[in-house]
Amino acid sequence: GAGVSQSPSNKVTEKGKDVELRCDPISGHTALYWYRQSLGQGLEFLIYFQGNSAPDKSGLPSDRFSAERTGGSVSTLTIQRTQQEDSAVYLCASSLDLWNQPQHFGDGTRLSIL
Amino acid sequence: QQQVKQSPQSLIVQKGGISIINCAYENTAFDYFPWYQQFPGKGPALLIAIRPDVSEKKEGRFTISFNKSAKQFSLHIMDSQPGDSATYFCAASFVGGADGLTFGKGTHLIIQP
Repeated sequence: GAGVSQSPSNKVTEKGKDVELRCDPISGHTALYWYRQSLGQGLEFLIYFQGNSAPDKSGLPSDRFSAERTGGSVSTLTIQRTQQEDSAVYLCASSLDLWNQPQHFGDGTRLSIL
Repeated sequence: QQQVKQSPQSLIVQKGGISIINCAYENTAFDYFPWYQQFPGKGPALLIAIRPDVSEKKEGRFTISFNKSAKQFSLHIMDSQPGDSATYFCAASFVGGADGLTFGKGTHLIIQP
């Protein structure tokens, strides 16, 4: 597509439920990044993929968070047993590869945990 | 901890004036410094970026000034317009590195007509 596409744009769910957020990067971009934006923490880097591989998961906030990417394209970020502190905007970005910036961002998924 | 410190937190400028936002970084290994603009409900959009081998880069009304020895860089918006009212983020990263972008806390810019 023309830009990075994220879905859903908004998600409201109850505490304890699992949620899955989707990112469709710019066609041909091999690097994909997930960030979280919240009032208290600003923009935080979570995880990156080069192709289907995510070598470093240490930026994920807890073991309730996981991410995968298949076919070198679409990525999903899954949050299990959601907590109120997970409420934030989750942003996805892509770049041609790790060595060719810039990163282009989608408009994010606004996640609200009730 | 890697940090990028951004100031001011908010800024009001008259139409036609110059908006200046400053950032300072700690890790001398950073080698890529972009500025992003964000409107409410939208994702950050790249404005302009610089590498440390260049002291200044200009694109239209936007200029980055980079001071490697002081570990500081700044964004100048010339002839500021009401449409420039947005939140601006500086960032830093290692090209090819695994840590993504490290962002400043953002500057809320208001251009008064």
